[in-house]
Amino acid sequence: NAGVTQTPKFRVLKTGQSMTLLCAQDMNHEYMYWYRQDPGMGLRLIHYSVGEGTTAKGEVPDGYNVSRLKKQNFLLGLESAAPSQTSVYFCASKVGRGNTEAFFGQGTRLTVV
Amino acid sequence: QKEVEQDPGPLSVPEGAIVSLNCTYSNSAFQYFMWYRQYSRKGPELLMYTYSSGNKEDGRFTAQVDKSSKYISLFIRDSQPSDSATYLCAMRVGRDDKIIFGKGTRLHILP
Repeated sequence: NAGVTQTPKFRVLKTGQSMTLLCAQDMNHEYMYWYRQDPGMGLRLIHYSVGEGTTAKGEVPDGYNVSRLKKQNFLLGLESAAPSQTSVYFCASKVGRGNTEAFFGQGTRLTVV
Repeated sequence: QKEVEQDPGPLSVPEGAIVSLNCTYSNSAFQYFMWYRQYSRKGPELLMYTYSSGNKEDGRFTAQVDKSSKYISLFIRDSQPSDSATYLCAMRVGRDDKIIFGKGTRLHILP
């Protein structure tokens, strides 16, 4: 019972490099979310998706892009990484509209130097 | 003003004490109120949720919502060292799909 799996768990990037974070869920959930968590800032919503092929902006979308080509996967891309994007990134999913519980992955620790 | 405000702590209490954690919010349209618990280096897990105003109890945990004051609380009775974690409040508007989190409060239960 994998639940929500994030890949990779850790990564160090140089400023200007690009990368993609992968979130995969095996619960057939419609909704998926990407958050970042910084000390003193809590969880902030980057982008989210309410179904395959749909995405929407959250609180802090600048510098990130997302895609939801398959229902079970939600990709978060950084085209040109900046030190301000050093953070812990969490993916979450939930069944759909009206359902309250979101299930989180274990997080990806990203450092941009 | 951020939509959801939560004191980051840390909050240290002795084992067995009653813990009170709180959040305030500014968006009167929020209808669903949740508390997540996050252990160090783990993802958050849903602890409790309530819809609209009122109280909800689950074992040692009680969630309280006062919509007139835009204030929610989580009470932990007979606190245990295993309750040491970060507690995040979260909220959602009924028609919206976004879940907005507070900053989280770090709680330490001292044996």
